[in-house]
Amino acid sequence: QQQVKQSPQSLIVQKGGISIINCAYENTAFDYFPWYQQFPGKGPALLIAIRPDVSEKKEGRFTISFNKSAKQFSLHIMDSQPGDSATYFCAASGSNDYKLSFGAGTTVTVRA
Amino acid sequence: DAGVIQSPRHEVTEMGQEVTLRCKPISGHNSLFWYRQTMMRGLELLIYFNNNVPIDDSGMPEDRFSAKMPNASFSTLKIQPSEPRDSAVYFCASSLFPRRWQQYFGPGTRLTVT
Repeated sequence: QQQVKQSPQSLIVQKGGISIINCAYENTAFDYFPWYQQFPGKGPALLIAIRPDVSEKKEGRFTISFNKSAKQFSLHIMDSQPGDSATYFCAASGSNDYKLSFGAGTTVTVRA
Repeated sequence: DAGVIQSPRHEVTEMGQEVTLRCKPISGHNSLFWYRQTMMRGLELLIYFNNNVPIDDSGMPEDRFSAKMPNASFSTLKIQPSEPRDSAVYFCASSLFPRRWQQYFGPGTRLTVT
């Protein structure tokens, strides 16, 4: 049973557009929500993370929005670039836990 | 600073053979994780070590899988005997306690069992 549900499975966006990936969770003990970026043939790389005490975190063109009451969080990639083409995984963990519960992943393709 | 190092990067073996995957975590990190990634099941945690001690091996699929961490800078994942359904990408990740959730992944080993 997947503890973090991620959608969509894949998306295609034009260069300069906005990519939006959504995740939902049930476990209220989760209090750390990272996003990982994975390029083909590489390992997942920590991209950005958020805790529930903030509703938004921005790093460059990447923004996480967090809705604690709805138990949802999302990744927005602004001004998407071909170099952003990758698979993105959301994840969740409790601060006293070591396990990361990963979403199924979203493959983002940015067309030039 | 070097990231997590894994070897080999690719391994092709025949069913029934023993396979050993190797991992060197980031220096100073004291938590180490082995994951398996497949299209069908996504990223699965196989085993977690803290300070070289296995804490949770509930994700190890069968007795054919074993993992060791003889010291802070080296870990192995062994499959004996290997089967075609073991074909996957195996990742090692490390982190620094107490921030165990900030995990840094290696490049992975792509295992193909024919």
